[in-house]
Amino acid sequence: EAGVTQFPSHSVIEKGQTVTLRCDPISGHDNLYWYRRVMGKEIKFLLHFVKESKQDESGMPNNRFLAERTGGTYSTLKVQPAELEDSGVYFCASSPREGKYNSPLHFGNGTRLTVT
Amino acid sequence: AQSVSQHNHHVILSEAASLELGCNYSYGGTVNLFWYVQYPGQHLQLLLKYFSGDPLVKGIKGFEAEFIKSKFSFNLRKPSVQWSDTAEYFCAVNAVSGGYNKLIFGAGTRLAVHP
Repeated sequence: EAGVTQFPSHSVIEKGQTVTLRCDPISGHDNLYWYRRVMGKEIKFLLHFVKESKQDESGMPNNRFLAERTGGTYSTLKVQPAELEDSGVYFCASSPREGKYNSPLHFGNGTRLTVT
Repeated sequence: AQSVSQHNHHVILSEAASLELGCNYSYGGTVNLFWYVQYPGQHLQLLLKYFSGDPLVKGIKGFEAEFIKSKFSFNLRKPSVQWSDTAEYFCAVNAVSGGYNKLIFGAGTRLAVHP
């Protein structure tokens, strides 16, 4: 099966610009997560979709971040306007609906975002 | 709040050396524990997991981890590392309390194995 894919793999933008990251989960996975890793620090939870609904968005840093998952398939994470501290690697992960607690997460390769 | 602490940020070993990476978590309830690995240029992948039962968990590629509840620890071990184990290792905890998976990760340990 195809894995979780993320696009772009790298993005370099200037402060104040807008960037949209995309994640395609494994087909049929209802759960989709966004995580972020700022350089050298822990991977932090941002939010969780179950199908098209936001189950938990407690990790979203502020209202400059907007995540969507229209139709319950792929998801986008938009940062507008980007700030320097938004730089990091953004990971997407998915898991099937069954077995809420013990389904391992399948991660994408991440998008490395650099804001200059 | 839940948190995960990984003791070493960088570890350098020679091939055939034994490995132990420390992981401690803070959460008073029932937890599921994981180790993920990210090889250079690849995605994060699951190395092993603990949900219940035998506290000594065997994973892929000869890795194992021991859950010690009294110490809130879940250390990763491998008796003899190989060059191909060079990667970054992440410990993670998932609180079992309603809801779905919401993994809390540690800061990661970057392992370099020299031939």
